Amino acid sequence: AQSVTQLGSHVSVSEGALVLLRCNYSSSVPPYLFWYVQYPNQGLQLLLKYTSAATLVKGINGFEAEFKKSETSFHLTKPSAHMSDAAEYFCAVSTAGGTSYGKLTFGQGTILTVHP
Amino acid sequence: GAVVSQHPSRVICKSGTSVKIECRSLDFQATTMFWYRQFPKQSLMLMATSNEGSKATYEQGVEKDKFLINHASLTLSTLTVTSAHPEDSSFYICSAHGQGGIADTQYFGPGTRLTVL
Repeated sequence: AQSVTQLGSHVSVSEGALVLLRCNYSSSVPPYLFWYVQYPNQGLQLLLKYTSAATLVKGINGFEAEFKKSETSFHLTKPSAHMSDAAEYFCAVSTAGGTSYGKLTFGQGTILTVHP
Repeated sequence: GAVVSQHPSRVICKSGTSVKIECRSLDFQATTMFWYRQFPKQSLMLMATSNEGSKATYEQGVEKDKFLINHASLTLSTLTVTSAHPEDSSFYICSAHGQGGIADTQYFGPGTRLTVL
């Protein structure tokens, strides 16, 4: 079984400030981890993914995330927030093989608000 | 990147009618597609896994007779909500599993907003 917990349903930052969105996962096997962004009334866009290669993953729009096995975490960061980053962010986990092949389990989502 | 389309983007129907939603992978072949539903201010919940040429696998609690899934080709999966009721109103999103192995990415469609009156 796998699960994802996103700490904080809402995060508010000022433009130019650091963005930190927290994600912890639970998986009985080595996980694949993803961050997606969703704008209102739209589907999900992949920001970045961890697939057992480098633990520090760089994605689009200046976002990056670090896989920490000891902490079972995959927090998303961006050094300087932009107004266009305001959206909802989802962390997701999947595993290889078995009946869970390819299935994504999503966290509850974190709404990011960016203030001028 | 890979593109997945959904049609229609928005549908309003009367209670008791059936609604079909199409999910297409436009520039790649998808042997596996997934159907999710998302209630307002909530996360995505997987409904079913659709495999080309075989029956869909439904998640626990999802009525297979109510949510009919057909994956007739490598680029098209359809979800039919039969005898829709107001509680079926939701945002339905599909995703397609790209080629490249188990670590490959799911590409999401733009979603379909279903409102049942």
